[in-house]
Amino acid sequence: DQQVKQNSPSLSVQEGRISILNCDYTNSMFDYFLWYKKYPAEGPTFLISISSIKDKNEDGRFTVFLNKSAKHLSLHIVPSQPGDSAVYFCAASDYGQNFVFGPGTRLSVLP
Amino acid sequence: GAGVSQSPRYKVAKRGQDVALRCDPISGHVSLFWYQQALGQGPEFLTYFQNEAQLDKSGLPSDRFFAERPEGSVSTLKIQRTQQEDSAVYLCASSVVAGGSAADYEQYFGPGTRLTVT
Repeated sequence: DQQVKQNSPSLSVQEGRISILNCDYTNSMFDYFLWYKKYPAEGPTFLISISSIKDKNEDGRFTVFLNKSAKHLSLHIVPSQPGDSAVYFCAASDYGQNFVFGPGTRLSVLP
Repeated sequence: GAGVSQSPRYKVAKRGQDVALRCDPISGHVSLFWYQQALGQGPEFLTYFQNEAQLDKSGLPSDRFFAERPEGSVSTLKIQRTQQEDSAVYLCASSVVAGGSAADYEQYFGPGTRLTVT
């Protein structure tokens, strides 16, 4: 039973457009959510996070939205750039001790 | 400063061999996590240390898997009598401290060790 789901295995977006990556979770104890980006042969790199007391967090081109009632979060990248092409993992944590990752979404930004 | 390092980067083992995977976390990071990542999947939690104490090992798939962090810094994940299903990338991550402020939850990952059991 997956506690963190990313239902889109892949996504293709034109350069300059918005990329929207989605994530759903089932455990209401999760209080902190993170997005990681992973290039081949490298470990995941932290991108952006959001606490459950917020509904939005923005950092440059990256914005994460959290809808607690729907147990849903999304990552918006705008404008998308070819260098954003990578696998994106959504992760959820309860009090920083239990981290659960989704299966990932492969984003391809086409020039 | 140096990030999280792992060695070896690649390991090929024959079925039944024992392997040891090393993780050097970021200096001063209290928390250390091990994950197993199968092809096409997200990282799956194996075990977690706070300093030298192993606080959670619920993700270890069998008693063939053993992890230690004796001095609260470097950690070793040992797999005994490797099986083909153990083939995966093993990721190590460290964070400042777990259960502190939200910013401390951010984990910094190493590049991983790709284990192939033949």
